[in-house]
Amino acid sequence: GEDVEQSLFLSVREGDSSVINCTYTDSSSTYLYWYKQEPGAGLQLLTYIFSNMDMKQDQRLTVLLNKKDKHLSLRIADTQTGDSAIYFCAEIKDTGRRALTFGSGTRLQVQP
Amino acid sequence: GAGVSQSPRYKVTKRGQDVALRCDPISGHVSLYWYRQALGQGPEFLTYFNYEAQQDKSGLPNDRFSAERPEGSISTLTIQRTEQRDSAMYRCASSYSTGGGQPQHFGDGTRLSIL
Repeated sequence: GEDVEQSLFLSVREGDSSVINCTYTDSSSTYLYWYKQEPGAGLQLLTYIFSNMDMKQDQRLTVLLNKKDKHLSLRIADTQTGDSAIYFCAEIKDTGRRALTFGSGTRLQVQP
Repeated sequence: GAGVSQSPRYKVTKRGQDVALRCDPISGHVSLYWYRQALGQGPEFLTYFNYEAQQDKSGLPNDRFSAERPEGSISTLTIQRTEQRDSAMYRCASSYSTGGGQPQHFGDGTRLSIL
């Protein structure tokens, strides 16, 4: 079956790098996404990666994909207090059910 | 509109009442999705539409839940005879199409509380 797992909590100091990890079980996943959820707000799409890529960089964000190990990570450089939020990884296949399968989210706490 | 709009933002109702949740997708987006998110969890799929056609409703938990998108734009998720276990955040998303490379953009959600 499908399963996406994330660690629950990560605490870093302002200015450090944050690395949020995610593992998934379905090898037919085609696209993998990172969403950010701030209190009282909706899910904000941060970035996504196609499964034939192993890295994507977008300003302070770097996504790494290890397809062999089914491991996805999101690195946030120079983490700021405004980055404090819950981060969800999600996967989708290009065939069959066209729905995102989400992990339970990682709460990132940035200490000043 | 600029983004996905959901209304109401909050809904409190008594057990046994019917509720209707509304979603207005991004203009021009063909695909519309409904998810439900329990506290401390990620969103879980309920159903989705391409234009006005409901393509997949396998995530709807039981027959008290239904959804429609009659003109291929605004969608309504209806829960009949609500129960306390229906309390959750209900999220709507839209995308340009259903291709996996077409990201889903979410609204702010409707928080439903059943007393």
